[in-house]
This record gives sequence, C-alpha cells and structure tokens, in this order.
Amino acid sequence: KQEVTQIPAALSVPEGENLVLNCSFTDSAIYNLQWFRQDPGKGLTSLLLIQSSQREQTSGRLNASLDKSSGRSTLYIAASQPGDSATYLCAVIKAAGNKLTFGGGTRVLVKP
Amino acid sequence: GAGVSQSPSNKVTEKGKDVELRCDPISGHTALYWYRQRLGQGLEFLIYFQGNSAPDKSGLPSDRFSAERTGESVSTLTIQRTQQEDSAVYLCASRGQGSLYGYTFGSGTRLTVV
Repeated sequence: KQEVTQIPAALSVPEGENLVLNCSFTDSAIYNLQWFRQDPGKGLTSLLLIQSSQREQTSGRLNASLDKSSGRSTLYIAASQPGDSATYLCAVIKAAGNKLTFGGGTRVLVKP
Repeated sequence: GAGVSQSPSNKVTEKGKDVELRCDPISGHTALYWYRQRLGQGLEFLIYFQGNSAPDKSGLPSDRFSAERTGESVSTLTIQRTQQEDSAVYLCASRGQGSLYGYTFGSGTRLTVV
C-alpha cells in the first residue's frame, strides 16, 4: 500500500527566505506526482505535475524535483512571500487513471 | 466549463437527513473523483469514475454513501441518514487522459451536520 509522508508538518519562515518542502513515498512505481496548494477553507490548486519520466518541473518561483528510485520529491519556493502562506500537499498516482494518494501536507507561514 | 464546479458550496443539515452533493467536471475529462477532508485532516479517497467502467467504490466509508455519474458529465454524491461524523469538506476532481493531465479540483462542498 502506497504511503506518502510530508515533513515538516508545519514551517514558519521570514519573508524572502527560500522554502524547501519534502515529500516521500513508499512505492516507487508511480505514474506521476502532483503538488497542490490549499488555502484555508478552499479547495486545492494544482501547482506542478511531474511525470514519472521527468526529474523536475519549474513554474515561476516554484521548482519541484522527483527522484523515483529513492521515493522522494522536493518542492522549492524561492524568495517566499506572505502570499505563499498555505498548506502544500503532494500526491502520487500509481497508474493512469488511478486515484491520488495524498501526504498529510506541510502548513507554511511566511512572516512579513 | 473552465474548471470543476461543485454545488452547493456550503450545506448545513440536520442529523438523519439525506444530502446530495453535485460535481460538474471539466468538459472532456473522462475521470472523476470524490474525496473527503475532515477538519485538520488529510484527503480521503471516496470513489472514482472512469468513462463507462464500473466505478471504484473502495473508499466509501459506509453503505449510507453512494455516488452516480451520467456518462462523462455530472456526478452526484449522496449521503443518507447523515451523521455528525460526516461533517467535512467534500472535494471533487476530474482528470483528462494521458500523463500530461493532472487532477483539477473543485472548491468543495462544506457539509455540516448538526
């Protein structure tokens, strides 16, 4: 059974610092991995999708890496801003069309 | 539409009543998923529809929960005889075919059972 773990569970940084969020999964046979952002009381916003054949994806200040063999993904957010405060979730999918398995999330607070 | 639409956005119901939650996926997305998120907790998978295949109901917590989907369009999640433990945000997601397509989530329905 796939298990996804996110460490740390919570993170507080001053504005301008880079953020590093970790995600690990137990079964390396994944189809792809997706990072989401969730604001309080809101749904999920997709940030980055990494296919199993890829090693990283970038979008603006966000960069996500994937190391399937070690079962890890890392989300980097450069030059953090107070607006980056949210919960960040990673999720893996085992096969095409299969369900997402989510980590517990990392709650981020960026202090002005 | 441009995104996944869920209605209602909020629902307060009395214990024992039935509720119906609706999800309109992105047009053309063949896969549709329902998840539940209790306060302060992670996302729990409930049910998954893929085209005309039999749905994967493995996440439904009890027989009070059921869901339907008409073709590749609207889905409804029904909870019968609601209990206070059913209070949660119910999230719907849809996905296109192929590895290039990630999941797109709706804003959710916040269900409160009083």
